[in-house]
Amino acid sequence: DAEITQSPRHKITETGRQVTLACHQTWNHNNMFWYRQDLGHGLRLIHYSYGVQDTNKGEVSDGYSVSRSNTEDLPLTLESAASSQTSVYFCASTLHSYRSSTNQPQHFGDGTRLSIL
Amino acid sequence: KQEVTQIPAALSVPEGENLVLNCSFTDSAIYNLQWFRQDPGKGLTSLLLIQSSQREQTSGRLNASLDKSSGRSTLYIAASQPGDSATYLCAVTAGNTPLVFGKGTRLSVIA
Repeated sequence: DAEITQSPRHKITETGRQVTLACHQTWNHNNMFWYRQDLGHGLRLIHYSYGVQDTNKGEVSDGYSVSRSNTEDLPLTLESAASSQTSVYFCASTLHSYRSSTNQPQHFGDGTRLSIL
Repeated sequence: KQEVTQIPAALSVPEGENLVLNCSFTDSAIYNLQWFRQDPGKGLTSLLLIQSSQREQTSGRLNASLDKSSGRSTLYIAASQPGDSATYLCAVTAGNTPLVFGKGTRLSVIA
């Protein structure tokens, strides 16, 4: 069965360190997204990609970067981790049909709980 | 800027009750609306997706309606069960744009 997996599931690191969160999907979806979820804020979009070599900034992109070198993966990098980036991070993917402008349901990974001390 | 609001933020009902969760959005120029379920410590699971040309979608005991002109959607859950306890989120998109999420309604169904 196709799936979307995130790793690691939990990570603890120190401020100032570079951290990379992995996201891998086997749906062959063109669109991939990274969100963070915090109490009181709901889900907020960090970065997203519509295809290989395409990346776009979301609502809360400062301090984060992504790259898309293939269809399956969209790693999220925290360049210099800050305590404000302690959160639960979700990766998602969906297939968009450009011919019909309709979306398929978005599929989510189980999340990465990141703590920055 | 699109904003999505969900009311109530939390809801507790006895088992067997029918219930309605509400979602409103500020910009009616949407392509579709999705309802998701999130269990504690888990990711989101898509429940229903309504395209802008549709009025409703049904899956088992769930029925979602969409009134695009008034910027409203409802998720109706029939004969609620303790296993329905979770957070329910709605989200909208204007075509090939990222989803904009509400903050969710936390539902508790008491046996």
